[in-house]
Amino acid sequence: AQTVTQSQPEMSVQEAETVTLSCTYDTSENNYYLFWYKQPPSRQMILVIRQEAYKQQNATENRFSVNFQKAAKSFSLKISDSQLGDTAMYFCAFMNNNAGNMLTFGGGTRLMVKP
Amino acid sequence: GAVVSQHPSWVICKSGTSVKIECRSLDFQATTMFWYRQFPKQSLMLMATSNEGSKATYEQGVEKDKFLINHASLTLSTLTVTSAHPEDSSFYICSARDRGITYEQYFGPGTRLTVT
Repeated sequence: AQTVTQSQPEMSVQEAETVTLSCTYDTSENNYYLFWYKQPPSRQMILVIRQEAYKQQNATENRFSVNFQKAAKSFSLKISDSQLGDTAMYFCAFMNNNAGNMLTFGGGTRLMVKP
Repeated sequence: GAVVSQHPSWVICKSGTSVKIECRSLDFQATTMFWYRQFPKQSLMLMATSNEGSKATYEQGVEKDKFLINHASLTLSTLTVTSAHPEDSSFYICSARDRGITYEQYFGPGTRLTVT
């Protein structure tokens, strides 16, 4: 079974600054995807970024980028130029292509962006 | 595109009654839908995987007779909480997988269930 660990329950950052959220996972699989989801106060889950394990290049989506270290089983999310609207819960998630495409979520990090 | 709706968004029911939550994929066909439960300030826990036309697969510890899941069409899955108890009060979220895109799950907005 896969496990996903987010070691930072809460973080805060000043508006316009950069913050990095940590995520580690444990798996024996080689073919998988990793995701970061954002859950704002509305509780709607929003996909932030996706990384395919077979790709060495780190995924980037505008102000969001990841540092994917496959050997270390680490998948951190960097948010640049933080905005007030980035305040939310952030969940790291793992998907095993060979196990029904189920998502396993980490415990979440609550991010507060301060003005 | 890729919109998933849930109905109702918030429901209050009395102990012992049953309540049904609907999950619909509005603009794509979902061969698989997933049901999650989220307690306050906690992560999402997968309850069951629902495949169109077949029985749902429940995660360990989830009572299949209490949480009835039906996936009768490619756009609709329902979760019925039977004989509801106050401890069933939670936030229930569904997600749907597009039959053509296996790595993507699209999430509904969630349903808040309060059992009094």
